[in-house]
Amino acid sequence: GESVGLHLPTLSVQEGDNSIINCAYSNSASDYFIWYKQESGKGPQFIIDIRSNMDKRQGQRVTVLLNKTVKHLSLQIAATQPGDSAVYFCAEPQGTALIFGKGTTLSVSS
Amino acid sequence: DGGITQSPKYLFRKEGQNVTLSCEQNLNHDAMYWYRQDPGQGLRLIYYSQIVNDFQKGDIAEGYSVSREKKESFPLTVTSAQKNPTAFYLCASSQGTRYGYTFGSGTRLTVV
Repeated sequence: GESVGLHLPTLSVQEGDNSIINCAYSNSASDYFIWYKQESGKGPQFIIDIRSNMDKRQGQRVTVLLNKTVKHLSLQIAATQPGDSAVYFCAEPQGTALIFGKGTTLSVSS
Repeated sequence: DGGITQSPKYLFRKEGQNVTLSCEQNLNHDAMYWYRQDPGQGLRLIYYSQIVNDFQKGDIAEGYSVSREKKESFPLTVTSAQKNPTAFYLCASSQGTRYGYTFGSGTRLTVV
């Protein structure tokens, strides 16, 4: 079935590097995407969202890029910090609920 | 501060018992959701409710039940029919799927 997925289950970076987390989706009609951050033992937290009428959206140290041609979105984290270590999920609406990818675990070393 | 509260944080259940997980929100959100998360996995939808006294099954509803008698509350019962209930359970609320979710801090259920 159609679903949201992530390319890599883990990503390891050095503190200060830029991180890029990817997500592929299969439903070409999807018009809204959200990125969440989940720290160990906690619930996911909203990071940033993007609607399909945009290609790029920036937040504080984060940027989401949407490529509708290849059905791909990415989350870029600038100057990655140890506090960014977490699992990152992309999500999209399916009907009246959100469906989530399996997540990418970001590990930041000092 | 507005938020969504799940309790308890940790719960242990003996095989054959039903247990109820609490979820309360004071965000005045219409919609509430329950997800299950297994280690290394994404979130899978159990049940959701868009309005009081109405709820729908998600992808993995078997062995679970819910009620929505008040806008603020959406408790989840894990019944003895759920054969593998050990997991991390997350409750969320929203004004609609185009607005994202606010999640609670989760309940970790372990069968002993």
